[in-house]
Amino acid sequence: KAGVTQTPRYLIKTRGQQVTLSCSPISGHRSVSWYQQTPGQGLQFLFEYFSETQRNKGNFPGRFSGRQFSNSRSEMNVSTLELGDSALYLCASSLEGSGSRNEQFFGPGTRLTVL
Amino acid sequence: GENVEQHPSTLSVQEGDSAVIKCTYSDSASNYFPWYKQELGKRPQLIIDIRSNVGEKKDQRIAVTLNKTAKHFSLHITETQPEDSAVYFCAAKGYSSASKIIFGSGTRLSIRP
Repeated sequence: KAGVTQTPRYLIKTRGQQVTLSCSPISGHRSVSWYQQTPGQGLQFLFEYFSETQRNKGNFPGRFSGRQFSNSRSEMNVSTLELGDSALYLCASSLEGSGSRNEQFFGPGTRLTVL
Repeated sequence: GENVEQHPSTLSVQEGDSAVIKCTYSDSASNYFPWYKQELGKRPQLIIDIRSNVGEKKDQRIAVTLNKTAKHFSLHITETQPEDSAVYFCAAKGYSSASKIIFGSGTRLSIRP
């Protein structure tokens, strides 16, 4: 099976712009989670989608949003970008994200730089 | 809210020695504890996990122990090798779908030749 893929791999934006990142999970996986990774903050949970519904949400402002499509592909959007949004954005997929089927597999990430 | 504390933040050990990384979690409903290894410039990869009905699990040079009473779990790497150099993350998650996975802040492990 192909692994988790993310596009684009690199992005450079300026403050105030918005950005959309895409994540394609492993075939058959229905849960997709998004994380922000910065050098000082480790892995910060953004949100999780399951069957096109947001199932869990982290402590990020409303500028961060996401969605999931019927084929389980997911997108996350960041509006009104700030310098502090520069980070590696990782998505991870799992079969169901709960019970005994919650092992997560990470994508390679999208490196976002905000100038 | 839920929290996972991980120590130490950096660890340097001589090649061939053992390394131990410790995590403490706050949510007593947590019952799934994975460990991820992230090499420089690469994605985190699951190296071992343990569920709350098990006290210890081993996979070759890697072992994880869990003390549910104390809410502690630890990663043990024996006979360390240069390729063990990476950042290691612990995490904790509850059984239900409403439970979020919470990651520790990471440990940068360096193996000295």
